[in-house]
Amino acid sequence: GNSVTQMEGPVTLSEEAFLTINCTYTATGYPSLFWYVQYPGEGLQLLLKATKADDKGSNKGFEATYRKETTSFHLEKGSVQVSDSAVYFCALTTSGTYKYIFGTGTRLKVLA
Amino acid sequence: DARVTQTPRDKVTEMGQEVTMRCQPILGHNTVFWYRQTMMQGLELLAYFRNRAPLDDSGMPKDRFSAEMPDATLATLKIQPSEPRDSAVYFCASGLGGFETQYFGPGTRLLVL
Repeated sequence: GNSVTQMEGPVTLSEEAFLTINCTYTATGYPSLFWYVQYPGEGLQLLLKATKADDKGSNKGFEATYRKETTSFHLEKGSVQVSDSAVYFCALTTSGTYKYIFGTGTRLKVLA
Repeated sequence: DARVTQTPRDKVTEMGQEVTMRCQPILGHNTVFWYRQTMMQGLELLAYFRNRAPLDDSGMPKDRFSAEMPDATLATLKIQPSEPRDSAVYFCASGLGGFETQYFGPGTRLLVL
């Protein structure tokens, strides 16, 4: 079946450090891939998405590239801020289904 | 700025009581999801609807949980009777289905004593 695996957290970084959160997936067909972010006390919100191979999603300085050959969708940011502290979820959905498959989430803590 | 709304935001109740959580999806969205989030289990899909019809509720404990969409502007999740292990944050999300974005509400934080 379809699944998403993301790196265990928590990830603790200093402000302005480079961020990578790994995400790999298993899916039949051609999935669309998403990163969602959850700030404390809030619901999840879409950060970025990519709908086909080699697409790059980007938003708020975050980027992720849909790599079909490695079945990966790693999240990166060149310089994190304290305000980026949150939990990040990788997710996929495939044609013919309406539901998302979410990863377990990776908590990011950025220190000033 | 259209948003998914959920009520109540917080609920404290005693074991055995009925709990009803409500969700108003974004106008025009025809797919509605209920999730539960706990520290131990993470984010779990409980049920989802397409055009008000339930498509999958396999994630719900059938004996005590029920989910309905009385109309296109309201989705409900009921727990009867509630148990301490039901303590969690319950999220509703809506979307247009397919590859479209899901929009999450702020959640209902439930504590069953």
